Amino acid sequence: DQQVKQNSPSLSVQEGRISILNCDYTNSMFDYFLWYKKYPAEGPTFLISISSIKDKNEDGRFTVFLNKSAKHLSLHIVPSQPGDSAVYFCAASATGGGSNYKLTFGKGTLLTVNP
Amino acid sequence: DSGVTQTPKHLITATGQRVTLRCSPRSGDLSVYWYQQSLDQGLQFLIQYYNGEERAKGNILERFSAQQFPDLHSELNLSSLELGDSALYFCASSVAGVQETQYFGPGTRLLVL
Repeated sequence: DQQVKQNSPSLSVQEGRISILNCDYTNSMFDYFLWYKKYPAEGPTFLISISSIKDKNEDGRFTVFLNKSAKHLSLHIVPSQPGDSAVYFCAASATGGGSNYKLTFGKGTLLTVNP
Repeated sequence: DSGVTQTPKHLITATGQRVTLRCSPRSGDLSVYWYQQSLDQGLQFLIQYYNGEERAKGNILERFSAQQFPDLHSELNLSSLELGDSALYFCASSVAGVQETQYFGPGTRLLVL
């Protein structure tokens, strides 16, 4: 049972344009969501997070949007740069009462930004 | 650099053997998590320790065990290794508060031949 889904295995965009990566979840107990970026042979690098009490969080070129009713979140990267090319993982955790804060990951989306 | 260190970076061993993976969390972080990334399964949570005590278990095999020491470093022990245990093993750490971010180490790539 895949509780966090990234339905697009890959995405290709032109440098300077917007990249939109999508993520859906099924567990209504999830209340904290994160995006990680991963290069081959390296550990995931934290990018940005959002709590379920918000619907948007922005950090420089990265913005995460959360639609709780649709159980959907998205990561927008504007403008996209070639160095953004990597695998992006969506992750979620349930942090309420006695939760262990483990992260449940999607399978990732490979973003390629073309010069 | 996340501040989480893992050793060794690479490990090649044979079926039936036992290995130990080591993780040092970021300074000040009390919680350590272990994850396994295999080709077909993605990143899967294995186990969590908080301040020396086991807090949660995920999809961890009985052949695998872990511990967190008083200095907060953690070790993941994998025994009776099988070919299917070949994977990347990541350690992550966090402060252990509410709605916190986990920071990942560079991983240990295990190859079982």
